[in-house]
Amino acid sequence: GAGVSQTPSNKVTEKGKYVELRCDPISGHTALYWYRQSLGQGPEFLIYFQGTGAADDSGLPNDRFFAVRPEGSVSTLKIQRTERGDSAVYLCASSPTGARTEAFFGQGTRLTVV
Amino acid sequence: GENVEQHPSTLSVQEGDSAVIKCTYSDSASNYFPWYKQELGKGPQLIIDIRSNVGEKKDQRIAVTLNKTAKHFSLHITETQPEDSAVYFCAARRNQGAQKLVFGQGTRLTINP
Repeated sequence: GAGVSQTPSNKVTEKGKYVELRCDPISGHTALYWYRQSLGQGPEFLIYFQGTGAADDSGLPNDRFFAVRPEGSVSTLKIQRTERGDSAVYLCASSPTGARTEAFFGQGTRLTVV
Repeated sequence: GENVEQHPSTLSVQEGDSAVIKCTYSDSASNYFPWYKQELGKGPQLIIDIRSNVGEKKDQRIAVTLNKTAKHFSLHITETQPEDSAVYFCAARRNQGAQKLVFGQGTRLTINP
């Protein structure tokens, strides 16, 4: 596709369950980012990949959150033992490289933990 | 770390008038400043950006100005139209080191017909 694709668009899960959120970046983009956006707030950085490696994971809130990008393209954000406070829109963005280039966002996955 | 403050949080203007949104940043090492427009249920869309080596950039009805000394930058939308109604976010990023964007809190812009 032409843009960043995120699936699912909506996810409702019960407290304590495990969830995976998927991001398909723009083809050829080596940099990939995950952000979290709470209602009425700006996006907050979670993790940044350059290729297959996590170059900066300083935004992950705790060890229940983990992300992978095994082949340098698709990325999966994994959340274990979900809590109601994890409810938010999770946004993925990609750019051709990390530096000096624009980041393009997907439409996000709205996660609701009940 | 970087902190970005954005004002106002809400802005209502008459169609055809201009709208201005202002942001300040704290990290003097930041040198890339994008603006995003977010419509309901969608991801942020890049509308314009500016790098620290220029003071102003314009694209049709949209312009951004940057004052590095004062560490603030602004978005100007002229001849506003109903389709400009959305939430706008400013952001800042270092070119070296940390690659993450730090966003402001957002401005909900409403264009009144």
